[in-house]
Amino acid sequence: DAGITQSPRYKITETGRQVTLMCHQTWSHSYMFWYRQDLGHGLRLIYYSAAADITDKGEVPDGYVVSRSKTENFPLTLESATRSQTSVYFCASSRDRYGYTFGSGTRLTVV
Amino acid sequence: KNEVEQSPQNLTAQEGEFITINCSYSVGISALHWLQQHPGGGIVSLFMLSSGKKKHGRLIATINIQEKHSSLHITASHPRDSAVYICAVDATNKLIFGTGTLLAVQP
Repeated sequence: DAGITQSPRYKITETGRQVTLMCHQTWSHSYMFWYRQDLGHGLRLIYYSAAADITDKGEVPDGYVVSRSKTENFPLTLESATRSQTSVYFCASSRDRYGYTFGSGTRLTVV
Repeated sequence: KNEVEQSPQNLTAQEGEFITINCSYSVGISALHWLQQHPGGGIVSLFMLSSGKKKHGRLIATINIQEKHSSLHITASHPRDSAVYICAVDATNKLIFGTGTLLAVQP
């Protein structure tokens, strides 16, 4: 089915481990985004990508790495997970930066 | 001060009531979005507005660009409308989100 899918839906990891959250979209949308959602902060932009091989930092990029070798995939890697990175992560895509479609989210717990 | 403010933060209504959620912003925008998030669920886009008013079923969204204000109205509210409603503005190539309004509609 067409859409935007995130995996895994839930993840528990230990402090210091590397974790990769996956995001895949089937529309060939140019823009893709990673957000984190925390109580009291709303959604905050971590990284975004305007096209394959083009990525840029958002509001809270520290501790995260992204890549976009293919238009349809935009993985987010936590290089060395910390407890402060416990959050719900949402991926989104947009064809033209006017309509956005969000994934179902990944709930990450760092213990 | 947040660039996008929503009010109220929490709202409890009885089934059938007319509901209004407000969003004010302080930056120049190209569009404003209303999003819905059910508990533990994903985020769904309800409306994108750059001017005027849009209606979809029992939902109505309005925007006043001069006053930098938008409202989301729900007519004849139903328990299934219980969710977090999020306002987001498209400003300088990024979305800025409000912290959301938690709506509970009681039967």
